[in-house]
Amino acid sequence: SQTIHQWPATLVQPVGSPLSLECTVEGTSNPNLYWYRQAAGRGLQLLFYSVGIGQISSEVPQNLSASRPQDRQFILSSKKLLLSDSGFYLCAWSVGQGQTRGNGYTFGSGTRLTVV
Amino acid sequence: SQKIEQNSEALNIQEGKTATLTCNYTNYSPAYLQWYRQDPGRGPVFLLLIRENEKEKRKERLKVTFDTTLKQSLFHITASQPADSATYLCADTGRRALTFGSGTRLQVQP
Repeated sequence: SQTIHQWPATLVQPVGSPLSLECTVEGTSNPNLYWYRQAAGRGLQLLFYSVGIGQISSEVPQNLSASRPQDRQFILSSKKLLLSDSGFYLCAWSVGQGQTRGNGYTFGSGTRLTVV
Repeated sequence: SQKIEQNSEALNIQEGKTATLTCNYTNYSPAYLQWYRQDPGRGPVFLLLIRENEKEKRKERLKVTFDTTLKQSLFHITASQPADSATYLCADTGRRALTFGSGTRLQVQP
């Protein structure tokens, strides 16, 4: 069966420090991968999505970046965190083959990031 | 651009009653609408998907309707239980990835 792993679960980082969040998927090949952020009491904001290795689409211009070095690995990074980067970060995958529509997403358990 | 709107006020109902949550979209008719459940501090869990040409979809106690004339989807939970208490999110497939509404919190009182 397919599983998605996301870590760490919680993170407290000072302003200006770097960030690296990792997400891996097991049990499937060529998944579509996504990073979302959820502010407290708000909806999910799409940050990045990827339909294949090295293929990253950015939805929101900001100081975050994403990479997909392997088929089932998706990394969210920042060189210098801002206070406004605090939030709940969620990784998700869906069936791939370039089809991003019509399939439910499976989300990871999320990372609660607090920038202080 | 497409906006997915859900009632931000919490919905409180008594156990055993039917809960009805509303999702409205503002622009184009989505090819698919999806519904998710999210518990505090957890990632959303996929519940149901309904296609544009489907008027109704059922799964156990859950029922979703899709009215393209009203630009609206309704999500029903029949015989609600306290364990159904959670935030329910509506999502449009969008052009590339899911666009979510802000969710409606459901509280089922025993």
